[in-house]
Amino acid sequence: GAVVSQHPSWVICKSGTSVKIECRSLDFQATTMFWYRQFPKQSLMLMATSNEGSKATYEQGVEKDKFLINHASLTLSTLTVTSAHPEDSSFYICSASGGDGTNYGYTFGSGTRLTVV
Amino acid sequence: GQNIDQPTEMTATEGAIVQINCTYQTSGFNGLFWYQQHAGEAPTFLSYNVLDGLEEKGRFSSFLSRSKGYSYLLLKELQMKDSASYLCAVSPFSGGYNKLIFGAGTRLAVHP
Repeated sequence: GAVVSQHPSWVICKSGTSVKIECRSLDFQATTMFWYRQFPKQSLMLMATSNEGSKATYEQGVEKDKFLINHASLTLSTLTVTSAHPEDSSFYICSASGGDGTNYGYTFGSGTRLTVV
Repeated sequence: GQNIDQPTEMTATEGAIVQINCTYQTSGFNGLFWYQQHAGEAPTFLSYNVLDGLEEKGRFSSFLSRSKGYSYLLLKELQMKDSASYLCAVSPFSGGYNKLIFGAGTRLAVHP
């Protein structure tokens, strides 16, 4: 079945620094990648949708200059949180679509716990 | 706008049956998903409904009524490990892989 690898699983960084999160589809080509953020006891909030080779589409209220998304290949998308602040501490999850339709086209990564101190 | 409602919390007893409801109002409809999520982990796919009716898969079943904008997830023979959040999500757009709209999630606590 479809597998999505997300790395790192957790990261602690200092305020003002940048953090990059990678999402890889291991056995299929992901035509579309979705990036979500989840605060404690809340649901997944979509941040942006990216298609390979084109600019990401950001949801309303999400700063594209702060959350840089790159989808340079059909198997890799990255989310960079620039100039991170404590309020950016959250659980970030990617979801990849494509391949054989396993999970009806939406396979989630394992998530990244970001803590900004 | 897009709106998906589900209860915030539910409790149930081990061995019992619980039904988690979800109502939705979206600009379009291309299927409804149910996911299970344990704390600190990614969501796990449970079911997908695009036509009206009941889909049964082991202890879990999911029902959809498109005319009512309503779905439920039925969990039978509850086990302690079923304690988790259950997320209802709707794909409002057709054609290709489009974004999912998630409900706030229902936290289910299963007690002995």
